[in-house]
Amino acid sequence: ILNVEQSPQSLHVQEGDSTNFTCSFPSSNFYALHWYRWETAKSPEALFVMTLNGDEKKKGRISATLNTKEGYSYLYIKGSQPEDSATYLCAFMNDYKLSFGAGTTVTVRA
Amino acid sequence: EAQVTQNPRYLITVTGKKLTVTCSQNMNHEYMSWYRQDPGLGLRQIYYSMNVEVTDKGDVPEGYKVSRKEKRNFPLILESPSPNQTSLYFCASSFVLGQGAHYGYTFGSGTRLTVV
Repeated sequence: ILNVEQSPQSLHVQEGDSTNFTCSFPSSNFYALHWYRWETAKSPEALFVMTLNGDEKKKGRISATLNTKEGYSYLYIKGSQPEDSATYLCAFMNDYKLSFGAGTTVTVRA
Repeated sequence: EAQVTQNPRYLITVTGKKLTVTCSQNMNHEYMSWYRQDPGLGLRQIYYSMNVEVTDKGDVPEGYKVSRKEKRNFPLILESPSPNQTSLYFCASSFVLGQGAHYGYTFGSGTRLTVV
């Protein structure tokens, strides 16, 4: 089982503030790094798939960076809104298997 | 609408009574996979399939079986369910890029299984 770790486990953000959190993964045999957004009572939805060291992806106010050499990725939320409240999952792709971290749960307070 | 359909959404069963959770996708995806989600443990892969008649174990395959006779369907079979298989189950699918990378997964709505 691949060790994919996310920190912090949870965080609370005031509406309008920006935040970021981390995913760390094995730096060897890297194929891809996925980010998913998982809202309560729904299914996870893909945000980004990142494959190259130095990749930066952006979707609206959410962006992600990737460092495959040191084995980490950051997810950033700029100007958080209540609808950003969700659990954000990262997943490491290796040899056709996608291993998920336990997630960072973000709660945005109005 | 492109989607992954899982059935049933909720199921309560008794120990030892065989059950099947169905999963079907309409996107012509090669890759399909089953995960279980338990509190504090995140999503753990049970089985996956690269294409028709090609299946392989994930990280927690014990007590489960799968089959991939058609591209669109990937049922999860519990031959003799036990209480430790009480969990939230997700089916997911994706296209396969080269060299092991995939597009993002599309997940089904989940099946909450309780084994008493």
